Amino acid sequence: GAGVSQTPSNKVTEKGKYVELRCDPISGHTALYWYRQSLGQGPEFLIYFQGTGAADDSGLPNDRFFAVRPEGSVSTLKIQRTERGDSAVYLCASSPGTGNEQFFGPGTRLTVL
Amino acid sequence: EDQVTQSPEALRLQEGESSSLNCSYTVSGLRGLFWYRQDPGKGPEFLFTLYSAGEEKEKERLKATLTKKESFLHITAPKPEDSATYLCAVPVGGNTGTASKLTFGTGTRLQVTL
Repeated sequence: GAGVSQTPSNKVTEKGKYVELRCDPISGHTALYWYRQSLGQGPEFLIYFQGTGAADDSGLPNDRFFAVRPEGSVSTLKIQRTERGDSAVYLCASSPGTGNEQFFGPGTRLTVL
Repeated sequence: EDQVTQSPEALRLQEGESSSLNCSYTVSGLRGLFWYRQDPGKGPEFLFTLYSAGEEKEKERLKATLTKKESFLHITAPKPEDSATYLCAVPVGGNTGTASKLTFGTGTRLQVTL
């Protein structure tokens, strides 16, 4: 079946601009996660949803970052007033919700100039 | 604080030269340990979950084992296509059987040459 998909695969923006990153989870998966990965590092947790609600947003670095999952399926990560330090690969993962195995998408590479 | 440490950072092997990657963890109430493979420019690909000390899982040339303090990923007679970064992770927060975030190590970059 189809895996997790993310769009766009690459996003280049200018400092101060607003960006949206999209994630389509595996069909039927109730849990959805966002991670950020910098070069040479493991993924770092940002936020996760159980259904439509954010169950844990403790990893969001500041209030410029926000994520939604209005219908319990697709999620959008929104970053306001982007900064050069936001440049990274943003990964989305989903899981059935009853176990912990998470399945990752290919990521969106964000570059802030 | 929950921590995951992987070693070595990088490993270069010749084809057929077996070795092991280490993942040590400090977490209260382990609810699983996960191994992922990540190829350049791609997302992590799930390999194994281990839940209790003594447990072993195998897939092709890979075997993962778990003790109370660490996990090993053994690679037997590797091939160039096994070249990738191998990540381990543990779930933190939440309850047994429920979804929760993962804390990852920094990974081991494996290169297998002919």
